[in-house]
Amino acid sequence: AQSVTQLGSHVSVSEGALVLLRCNYSSSVPPYLFWYVQYPNQGLQLLLKYTTGATLVKGINGFEAEFKKSETSFHLTKPSAHMSDAAEYFCAVTFNAGKSTFGDGTTLTVKP
Amino acid sequence: EPEVTQTPSHQVTQMGQEVILRCVPISNHLYFYWYRQILGQKVEFLVSFYNNEISEKSEIFDDQFSVERPDGSNFTLKIRSTKLEDSAMYFCATQSGRGVNTDTQYFGPGTRLTVL
Repeated sequence: AQSVTQLGSHVSVSEGALVLLRCNYSSSVPPYLFWYVQYPNQGLQLLLKYTTGATLVKGINGFEAEFKKSETSFHLTKPSAHMSDAAEYFCAVTFNAGKSTFGDGTTLTVKP
Repeated sequence: EPEVTQTPSHQVTQMGQEVILRCVPISNHLYFYWYRQILGQKVEFLVSFYNNEISEKSEIFDDQFSVERPDGSNFTLKIRSTKLEDSAMYFCATQSGRGVNTDTQYFGPGTRLTVL
């Protein structure tokens, strides 16, 4: 069975600081990995994804993530946080492009 | 850019009533999913649908739930007799294929279901 673990249900950073949101997965086959952002009372917006190829993927809003097979990780980073980045972030995994399994989510707070 | 749409945006119903949540997929997408998110919790898979039949369902998707594409376009989720614990945001997602370049699920804005 596939699973996703997001370390840290709440992350707080200062505006301009590095954002690091952690995601680890378990899998016996190559996964497809996704990060979504959810603003209050809104749907899920795809930030970026990894399927095959380059392990460092760039997404929207300056976010990027690196797939590390040896660590079974897909951490999300952004060099400089902006107030508008405050939201809930979900890591998700699929296998054979089927159903998505989501992590518990990480709430990002950005302090002025 | 094409989008997945869902109606209604908010549905309030009495316990025991039937509700139907509707989704209009992106044109030419072949794979359809329903997920739910109870307030403050993570997104959970309910069911996937392909070629007019359920391809996978979770333990949550019991006999009270059903899905169909009645007219070949809309994709619906029906809850026959709602319970208080069905209160959640329900997301539809659609996907064009299962290959490397067609692997992204596009999510609709969700329907917030409130059961009183």
